[in-house]
Order: sequence, then C-alpha cells, then structure tokens
Amino acid sequence: QKEVEQDPGPLSVPEGAIVSLNCTYSNSAFQYFMWYRQYSRKGPELLMYTYSSGNKEDGRFTAQVDKSSKYISLFIRDSQPSDSATYLCATFNQAGTALIFGKGTTLSVSS
Amino acid sequence: EAQVTQNPRYLITVTGKKLTVTCSQNMNHEYMSWYRQDPGLGLRQIYYSMNVEATDKGDVPEGYKVSRKEKRNFPLILESPSPNQTSLYFCASSFSAGSYEQYFGPGTRLTVT
Repeated sequence: QKEVEQDPGPLSVPEGAIVSLNCTYSNSAFQYFMWYRQYSRKGPELLMYTYSSGNKEDGRFTAQVDKSSKYISLFIRDSQPSDSATYLCATFNQAGTALIFGKGTTLSVSS
Repeated sequence: EAQVTQNPRYLITVTGKKLTVTCSQNMNHEYMSWYRQDPGLGLRQIYYSMNVEATDKGDVPEGYKVSRKEKRNFPLILESPSPNQTSLYFCASSFSAGSYEQYFGPGTRLTVT
C-alpha cells in the first residue's frame, strides 16, 4: 500500500463550484499534512498545512484531517479559473527528511 | 526576492554524457533536497542535505550524485545519464528538515536519448 494515495482526476468544474480534493494515508504516526499547489511549468508551492486532526481555514480554502480514518481533504469554495492547477497532498516520512506526496489531482475550473 | 533557482530549465542530452543541474537558494536555508516527478509516480526524493557537507540518499538515489560545499548551492550530478532518468527535476529548500514549508525551484526538464 502506498503511504499517501490521491485520486489523480482530472477534475473539471464550473466557476463558483465547491471543490473537494481527497487523500488517504497509511501510517498513523504521520502528524503534519500539507497541500501544495503546482501550476503548469512551475514548482509546487505550499498552500496550507495542518497538524494532527481538525480543520484549518484560509480564505476560500479549508484543509481537514481525520486521523481516525486517515483521510485528508482540501475544500475550495467559490472556485475560480485561477485555481486551475495540480493539487498535491503531502506528509513527512518518519525521519522528517522527506516529503511524501500523493500523485496529485489536476483541477480545471472553467469560466 | 526569496527564491530557489535551477539551471538549466530544459536539457536534452545523450546516454552517458555527464551533466550537472545546478540549484541555488538565497534564503540561508540549511536543508535542501532534490526530487524527480514522473507521470503516474508523482514526486520522489533523490537526495537531501541537512547542511554543508552533510548529504544522504532519498528514495531513488541510483545514478545520481550530489554535493553541498556551500550553504546556498546543491548541484545534482548525473555521471552517466540513461533514458530512465528522463524526468522533471525539482530542487527544494527549507530552514530545517521537517519544516512544513519547502520552497521549490521552477524545475528542470531533462530528456536523455
């Protein structure tokens, strides 16, 4: 089983839609969970992070972690064409020396 | 501007011809690493460095070398490139290992024929 699993999509939504992006992870010892956003021909950039369980909100974005089910979610409200990108969930390996990424979900928001 | 730079951005080369991809950061970060990104496999770590003169293997180190002689630079060396090293490469840096915010470079697209 992969340590972090993510549905690659692609996902296409109209402008203004609510988007839900999801990942699962296998190791209950993982504590930090990050969402990175990668635009075409660019490197990933940190969008949000959460520690342990719970929700974190930043503008139109909400990150959620459910440790009981080992489930990570990113919600985007009022999606915009500028949100079109690949979204990568990530956590640290146990040594803290590497990020373990999901394969990424490609999102396209049409105006 | 705080950034990680990589050069070259695009490279086409032939099997066996040694090459170096440079990486430099201007944020005084201690931790640097290299990842490769492949369709269907995602991002995987090649090598990392906790500080100057301290490097170690990641998940896919075969066929690669690195060095860290200065804090700001972390070059990736392919001594004898092979077609299976055709990939998109990213350098990343952060204040320390385990920092949730890693800063990634713009990527180097390498094709080995």
